[in-house]
Amino acid sequence: AQSVTQLDSQVPVFEEAPVELRCNYSSSVSVYLFWYVQYPNQGLQLLLKYLSGSTLVESINGFEAEFNKSQTSFHLRKPSVHISDTAEYFCAVSGTGGFKTIFGAGTRLFVKA
Amino acid sequence: DAGVTQSPTHLIKTRGQQVTLRCSPKSGHDTVSWYQQALGQGPQFIFQYYEEEERQRGNFPDRFSGHQFPNYSSELNVNALLLGDSALYLCASSSPTSGAFYNEQFFGPGTRLTVL
Repeated sequence: AQSVTQLDSQVPVFEEAPVELRCNYSSSVSVYLFWYVQYPNQGLQLLLKYLSGSTLVESINGFEAEFNKSQTSFHLRKPSVHISDTAEYFCAVSGTGGFKTIFGAGTRLFVKA
Repeated sequence: DAGVTQSPTHLIKTRGQQVTLRCSPKSGHDTVSWYQQALGQGPQFIFQYYEEEERQRGNFPDRFSGHQFPNYSSELNVNALLLGDSALYLCASSSPTSGAFYNEQFFGPGTRLTVL
């Protein structure tokens, strides 16, 4: 069985400051890892994913995440946040041979001016 | 491309009633998954449909059932509604042939169900 733990329920940060949203997972099998973003009253949008290969993955809007197998972590980072990054962020895991995706409880990123 | 669509947007029901939620997958997708997202929580996997059959199921009671039609659209049915069924219900579609990744899912905006 797989599980995901997002270590912070809320992260307040000032605009243009760096941010890290932490995610740990547990799994007995190989996994795919994801970060999704959810804006108010909307569905989930895929932010980035790790499938295999390079452990550092990047999104088009400046976010990046690093897969650390030994620490079973997949933390999300951005060097400089914008007001528009305010949203709920979900870390998720899926077994490579399975079909369902397991989500963490979410981290609310609140960017202050 | 319309993406994943869901209907209705909002729904209010009373305890004991039954509800049907609908989902149309993204064009070219043949697999539909349903998730329940309670307030302040992450989405919880309910089940997945492929080729009109339930392929995998999460830890939800039999009150939750589904169906997939030949055009790949899907319905989620919930019987004997409880207050705890109040949540955002998300539909996600995917396809084994889309892009380079089998499990990548595209989510709809969700249906907000309120049970009174």
